[in-house]
Amino acid sequence: DGGITQSPKYLFRKEGQNVTLSCEQNLNHDAMYWYRQDPGQGLRLIYYSQIVNDFQKGDIAEGYSVSREKKESFPLTVTSAQKNPTAFYLCASSIGGPREETQYFGPGTRLLVL
Amino acid sequence: QKEVEQNSGPLSVPEGAIASLNCTYSDRGSQSFFWYRQYSGKSPELIMFIYSNGDKEDGRFTAQLNKASQYVSLLIRDSQPSDSATYLCAVRRYNFNKFYFGSGTKLNVKP
Repeated sequence: DGGITQSPKYLFRKEGQNVTLSCEQNLNHDAMYWYRQDPGQGLRLIYYSQIVNDFQKGDIAEGYSVSREKKESFPLTVTSAQKNPTAFYLCASSIGGPREETQYFGPGTRLLVL
Repeated sequence: QKEVEQNSGPLSVPEGAIASLNCTYSDRGSQSFFWYRQYSGKSPELIMFIYSNGDKEDGRFTAQLNKASQYVSLLIRDSQPSDSATYLCAVRRYNFNKFYFGSGTKLNVKP
């Protein structure tokens, strides 16, 4: 089955702890994205990557870091600098290209602070 | 000004009625427009996309685009209780791999 997987489904973070959220896709998509969604809010872009070994900051990158060493994988680290990390984190991917492509989402990871 | 604006709702319609969801966008350079459905606690799923002015139909769903007015809408015919969800509008600029999402409109379809 082709798709996007995210793990874990739920993640608990202690104060001062860095945590990493996993995102893997087997759709052979070039572009990958991380979004944050707070209750009753839309999606806000954290980071995105259009190609392996390259990524750009989105609108709310502070307190987060990413890597893109493989086409299939785009992990997100929530660092201790992110003071309000409780949210629903969504990974997405798209073919990438000038116009005609759509973005598909993984099932999400819910991050809670202990 | 937000890139994409939607009325948060909730929009309540009776079963079998037409639900009309609206979205406006600020950047005239936007070229691709998407509607996603998101059930509570789940990730967004793509309903349909539209690139050209006019209407695009897919089953019970019709997307309408008016670039001059910077307006996108989604019509859901014969609404069902299973359509109750939050509907997210997203736009993408030409040749630019960033998507901008509205905050979503919550739709309630009453049996």
